[in-house]
Amino acid sequence: GNSVTQMEGPVTLSEEAFLTINCTYTATGYPSLFWYVQYPGEGLQLLLKATKADDKGSNKGFEATYRKETTSFHLEKGSVQVSDSAVYFCAARTLTNAGGTSYGKLTFGQGTILTVHP
Amino acid sequence: GAVVSQHPSWVICKSGTSVKIECRSLDFQATTMFWYRQFPKQSLMLMATSNEGSKATYEQGVEKDKFLINHASLTLSTLTVTSAHPEDSSFYICSAHHPLQGVRKDNEQFFGPGTRLTVL
Repeated sequence: GNSVTQMEGPVTLSEEAFLTINCTYTATGYPSLFWYVQYPGEGLQLLLKATKADDKGSNKGFEATYRKETTSFHLEKGSVQVSDSAVYFCAARTLTNAGGTSYGKLTFGQGTILTVHP
Repeated sequence: GAVVSQHPSWVICKSGTSVKIECRSLDFQATTMFWYRQFPKQSLMLMATSNEGSKATYEQGVEKDKFLINHASLTLSTLTVTSAHPEDSSFYICSAHHPLQGVRKDNEQFFGPGTRLTVL
């Protein structure tokens, strides 16, 4: 099965600092890769995704590039804000078929807590 | 977007009792829902995959007789923690597969806000 390893946290930054959260994966085949964000007291929300090698996902100033050669999908943001404080999860998805319907089982990394101070 | 709700958002129960958690897709029909468990400062662990009208598929190491899953309709899946014990205290999260998002297209799983279970 798949496995996802994330950079250990927590990460504490000042506002406008550069952010990198590392993520590497092992998988059979070619998984789709995701970053999810969990704000305090809320459920997981999709932040960005990439479905094939060299794809770059981006959203809200965050970016991550699917690197097949290094099996990585590192999350970056050039200038973080206090409102970015949350837990970030890297995830990999491969497809499973059941009764003719394809759906993806997600495998999550351990999560990285990000705190941004003013 | 697609909205998934969970009820209750938190529950406290005595050891030995059973607790039911509901997961609803509010504006779409979900043939497949997933149940996860999240320990403090840890990742989400998939417990089981719930398919409407059929038995759930449990991940290795998850006791199916303890964590009963019922997916009786296309908008509702329930997780019942039977004879709960303090070690079952955790954050339980469901997600629902949106069929129209399709294979390798946009995000096909939408997550509920989670249920905090505390067993005394």
